[in-house]
Amino acid sequence: AQSVTQLDSQVPVFEEAPVELRCNYSSSVSVYLFWYVQYPNQGLQLLLKYLSGSTLVKGINGFEAEFNKSQTSFHLRKPSVHISDTAEYFCAVSDLRYGGATNKLIFGTGTLLAVQP
Amino acid sequence: EAGVTQFPSHSVIEKGQTVTLRCDPISGHDNLYWYRRVMGKEIKFLLHFVKESKQDESGMPNNRFLAERTGGTYSTLKVQPAELEDSGVYFCASSPGGQQFFGPGTRLTVL
Repeated sequence: AQSVTQLDSQVPVFEEAPVELRCNYSSSVSVYLFWYVQYPNQGLQLLLKYLSGSTLVKGINGFEAEFNKSQTSFHLRKPSVHISDTAEYFCAVSDLRYGGATNKLIFGTGTLLAVQP
Repeated sequence: EAGVTQFPSHSVIEKGQTVTLRCDPISGHDNLYWYRRVMGKEIKFLLHFVKESKQDESGMPNNRFLAERTGGTYSTLKVQPAELEDSGVYFCASSPGGQQFFGPGTRLTVL
């Protein structure tokens, strides 16, 4: 069974500062990795995903994440945040077996990024 | 192109009542998923439809929950009778195979 850990429930940061949101996962099989963002009163939106290939993945809105297999981590980073990045961020995995890309997502508990002026 | 829509956006019911949530996926998406987030916890998978068939219902908590997908289009999730622990946000997602596109969720409060 897979699990996802997001240790930081809330991350306050000043505008234009860099940020890293941490994600660690546990799985006995290979997985796909995802970061989703939920803005207030909206659905979850895909920020980026790692399926294979380069371990550094670039997503929308200037975010990027690095897959580290030895540390089973997939931390999300942005070099300079904006007020508009205030949202809740979810890390998720799905395993590669059977249906692969159509398999269910296993989510972490989410990290609320609060960008202050 | 319209995204995934969910109805209602909010529902407040009393314990023991019945509630039906509806999800309209993006047109042409064969895969439809239901997830639930209980306050402060992770978003948890409930079930997965491929067209009208249940592909994986391993996350359904108990037999008070019934999901259907009529004709492989929209889906409903019925909770009968509702209990206090059923409160949370219910998300629907659809996919053509690959990325899942999420709706805004239905916030269910059971009093």
